[in-house]
Amino acid sequence: DQQVKQNSPSLSVQEGRISILNCDYTNSMFDYFLWYKKYPAEGPTFLISISSIKDKNEDGRFTVFLNKSAKHLSLHIVPSQPGDSAVYFCAAHGTASKLTFGTGTRLQVTL
Amino acid sequence: GEEVAQTPKHLVRGEGQKAKLYCAPIKGHSYVFWYQQVLKNEFKFLISFQNENVFDETGMPKERFSAKCLPNSPCSLEIQATKLEDSAVYFCASSQSAGNTIYFGEGSWLTVV
Repeated sequence: DQQVKQNSPSLSVQEGRISILNCDYTNSMFDYFLWYKKYPAEGPTFLISISSIKDKNEDGRFTVFLNKSAKHLSLHIVPSQPGDSAVYFCAAHGTASKLTFGTGTRLQVTL
Repeated sequence: GEEVAQTPKHLVRGEGQKAKLYCAPIKGHSYVFWYQQVLKNEFKFLISFQNENVFDETGMPKERFSAKCLPNSPCSLEIQATKLEDSAVYFCASSQSAGNTIYFGEGSWLTVV
């Protein structure tokens, strides 16, 4: 039962363009959503989060959008840079606090 | 400290041997989590602690796996009588309080041969 889904296993974007990573969830009890970035052989690094009471949160080049009615969130990176190439995980938690992860999207930013 | 510190980074155990992993959460964080990453991109929740108390252990295998967070000591995850399928990266994470951002360590790579 995959409660958090990232349907695109990979994405390739040209440097300078916008990267859009998508995530869908099924559990309506989730109230806090996070995006993590992961390089090989390293732990997930927190990127940006959004509470369910908001529909947008922005931090520099990164913006997360939340559509509660559609149970969908997305991460926008603009402009994309080669250093953004990594695997991006969407994660969610409710009152139990533990995170439920998606299966990740590998982003490749090309020159 | 300012980051979640996990030791050892790599551990190799023969099947049937014991494995013990350690985690020091970020200073001031009262929640600690353990996750297992077996397949490349799949994180499985194992257990969480609120200070030294088990908060949620719904992901812990009933046998062979145990975990502790004792005062003034690193948290630990122990696997008795390891099996080949225990080979994975084990991530520890911590957060300041329930519902806050969770920060991860670099992981401990366990290989059971």
